Amino acid sequence: DAGVIQSPRHEVTEMGQEVTLRCKPISGHDYLFWYRQTMMRGLELLIYFNNNVPIDDSGMPEDRFSAKMPNASFSTLKIQPSEPRDSAVYFCASSLSGADYEQYFGPGTRLTVT
Amino acid sequence: RKEVEQDPGPFNVPEGATVAFNCTYSNSASQSFFWYRQDCRKEPKLLMSVYSSGNEDGRFTAQLNRASQYISLLIRDSKLSDSATYLCVVNREGGVGGKLIFGQGTELSVKP
Repeated sequence: DAGVIQSPRHEVTEMGQEVTLRCKPISGHDYLFWYRQTMMRGLELLIYFNNNVPIDDSGMPEDRFSAKMPNASFSTLKIQPSEPRDSAVYFCASSLSGADYEQYFGPGTRLTVT
Repeated sequence: RKEVEQDPGPFNVPEGATVAFNCTYSNSASQSFFWYRQDCRKEPKLLMSVYSSGNEDGRFTAQLNRASQYISLLIRDSKLSDSATYLCVVNREGGVGGKLIFGQGTELSVKP
């Protein structure tokens, strides 16, 4: 099993640019989660999907952030326009049947906005 | 006040020591509880679930006190490889669905 796959692993971009982060969940998992981790705020849930449908996006910081899941094997998190305060590690995770089951995290995308 | 609060770290202990981490949660409706482990610059991974009756996995023991809204993790005979950040995690809603709330984490450093 390949696990959760994220790309890119590292992204450095200039303020104002669009950033797209990608995630492929574990096959058969019906929940997908996007998290952001910073030293100051720790690990925060941004949004999660069940069967490709967004269930809770209350953690999305503002309208500059959007997430999609067009099919069961792919999701994107987009930031447009990016700002230096968006610099963080973004993790994607997937699980079976919701949060009572183990969430498997991808390796993360380390984003730096200059 | 954060919804899940943990002991501030870091904990620096010698090999073989016993170390305990504490965690409190504020939402009394929380249903499920976990400890995740995160190595430096890596992703979090599930260490163990926490059950009401308490549970043990080798050198690791987890306890839950619903009345006090308190969770603990005990590591016995600590190894160098136990050095990591330990995250206390709460499922606020439980059942099918819901979402995990992570504590800030407690860093453990085990020294030779």
